[in-house]
Amino acid sequence: ETGVTQSPTHLIKTRGQQVTLRCSSQSGHNTVSWYQQALGQGPQFIFQYYREEEKGRGNFPPRFSGLQFPNYSSELNVNALELDDSALYLCASSLGGLNTIYFGEGSWLTVV
Amino acid sequence: QQQVKQSPQSLIVQKGGISIINCAYENTAFDYFPWYQQFPGKGPALLIAIRPDVSEKKEGRFTISFNKSAKQFSLHIMDSQPGDSATYFCAASTYGGATNKLIFGTGTLLAVQP
Repeated sequence: ETGVTQSPTHLIKTRGQQVTLRCSSQSGHNTVSWYQQALGQGPQFIFQYYREEEKGRGNFPPRFSGLQFPNYSSELNVNALELDDSALYLCASSLGGLNTIYFGEGSWLTVV
Repeated sequence: QQQVKQSPQSLIVQKGGISIINCAYENTAFDYFPWYQQFPGKGPALLIAIRPDVSEKKEGRFTISFNKSAKQFSLHIMDSQPGDSATYFCAASTYGGATNKLIFGTGTLLAVQP
């Protein structure tokens, strides 16, 4: 157990809808990152939050957005869902700039 | 330059054998190289990691070998067990600015036969 918890574990959405995924970071970890893992692929970095600010972003369109709260928990929001957004969305937490990064179990999103 | 190339795509090993997975990178700014193990339906779990100032790191049955000049690193699983059957991902990161994002390889599906 990494102490990183995500919800919901599974969800099905219709193309064009919006989705919010939630993450609680490991105790004491102030940095949260989000990754997208398509079936059979390695995780792809979406963005990272540190002290409630976005500190880095991967090659994802603006309809992918996020928030980090004062307790370091985080949300990933995806608007105008597309079929290709179907994937496992992983939250990862770490402490500041340290490299050791721990992942949650992920949220499986299916877009139909 | 941001890619991490991983091979083989899949691997079948007999119980008790040695599993070897290889990765190569281009970006010399990478300064941290972890390996993650992922079981079906689960998130990646950190297995072992190495920094470029050492050539080898061992934790139990798992060893990372690192060749800085060749920009390659590998995972060796000694005495492989059926419970090791999973997908293994190598990754690399660099602390640039304020982001310590991981760049993952494409994964290796390991099957250890009893």
